[in-house]
Amino acid sequence: QVQLVQSGAEVKKPGASVKVSCKASGYTFSRHGISWVRQAPGQGLEWMGWISAYNGDTKSAQKFQGRLTMTTDTSTTTAYMELRSLRSDDTAVYYCTIMAVTGVGSFDPWGQGTLVSVSS
Amino acid sequence: QSALTQPASVSGSPGQSITISCTGTRSDVGRYNLVSWYQHHPGKAPKLMIYEGIKRPSGVSNRFSGSKSGNTASLTISGLQAEDEADYYCCSFAGNMLYVFGTGTKVTVL
Repeated sequence: QVQLVQSGAEVKKPGASVKVSCKASGYTFSRHGISWVRQAPGQGLEWMGWISAYNGDTKSAQKFQGRLTMTTDTSTTTAYMELRSLRSDDTAVYYCTIMAVTGVGSFDPWGQGTLVSVSS
Repeated sequence: QSALTQPASVSGSPGQSITISCTGTRSDVGRYNLVSWYQHHPGKAPKLMIYEGIKRPSGVSNRFSGSKSGNTASLTISGLQAEDEADYYCCSFAGNMLYVFGTGTKVTVL
């Protein structure tokens, strides 16, 4: 079945970078984009950006431009999300999710989430 | 890009119907029939409940239905059950390969 498995929890200091991986299986990796979504404690879901697994094109929400890098490795069917210059308000659970498997504009399924804690 | 507006909480008794609204603008919800809805239980991954505004993925109960009028999309849960208690989020395509989520609604089954 279609599945996304993310890397484990991270603890980082302010100003550092974090790189989260998302291993995909059960479908043709290059056919669907991957989006990244985060949820800070007590807050709602926030769309961060997406990457085409076909050609590597990316699009980020304006608030993350300049700090967010998304990449894919087609040889290992893995997507990566790197967030730089971390601040305390970047503490959140980060999810990867596949785009448009079920329908246009849909995100399904989702990875299990990766907790990133930013604290001095 | 501003988050779509949802009520913070909605509640209902078992068996009742509830509706969650999701208000955007004519640049997102109003322009595209690409609103999706997600059920999120704390500590778990979100689950797709409705896509393309009105379509239900296979395996999702037909008690869940979606609709849209103007700049507002809605999710209706009929025959409310205890297991429906969760947070619900709408999401809309906003053009130029951008997406925006709603503020989220906590559904409580009384």
